[in-house]
Amino acid sequence: ETGVTQTPRHLVMGMTNKKSLKCEQHLGHNAMYWYKQSAKKPLELMFVYSLEERVENNSVPSRFSPECPNSSHLFLHLHTLQPEDSALYLCASSQLLAGVDEQYFGPGTRLTVT
Amino acid sequence: LAKTTQPISMDSYEGQEVNITCSHNNIATNDYITWYQQFPSQGPRFIIQGYKTKVTNEVASLFIPADRKSSTLSLPRVSLSDTAVYYCLVVLPSGGSYIPTFGRGTSLIVHP
Repeated sequence: ETGVTQTPRHLVMGMTNKKSLKCEQHLGHNAMYWYKQSAKKPLELMFVYSLEERVENNSVPSRFSPECPNSSHLFLHLHTLQPEDSALYLCASSQLLAGVDEQYFGPGTRLTVT
Repeated sequence: LAKTTQPISMDSYEGQEVNITCSHNNIATNDYITWYQQFPSQGPRFIIQGYKTKVTNEVASLFIPADRKSSTLSLPRVSLSDTAVYYCLVVLPSGGSYIPTFGRGTSLIVHP
């Protein structure tokens, strides 16, 4: 257990569905992240929140919409996804921004878009 | 395009020392170099972090030359349970900002 939980662990959705991924950290950290991990690509940073403010949006399509209501929770809202969006979505948190502090990762949500 | 480069895969045997090098030419000046380990169906897990020279903890050592354009993770006396994917993470410039950037990962297989 890393102190970062993600739900659901697995999700299958059609291209017209709307779903949300949830991340919760129990570590008192100030920064939270969403990463995408595809089979043939490295871990790709999607979004970064620091103290509930979005500080990085790494050229992610608008069909992915993040939400950080407080420092312990992070959501990723999904709508009209494409099959190439199928991947493992990882949430992470750190006390300070990555680069000066280690990140703690959740187990990920395995997303399949049909 | 700023990026990191590390070998795709490595093979070793139990008890041997394994060294994995990551190249990162455009690393940001003030940020650390971090290495993570990932097992199947799990998120990456922190191994070690350093800024320059050498850092050692209970599981690994990290060697960083003075120019910081590369780093080498050293795993002493590996065991079968060290079979995993190892990633370096550095902060690189991207589109006017600096973002944490993972390498593609090195798949290490430890044989009996």
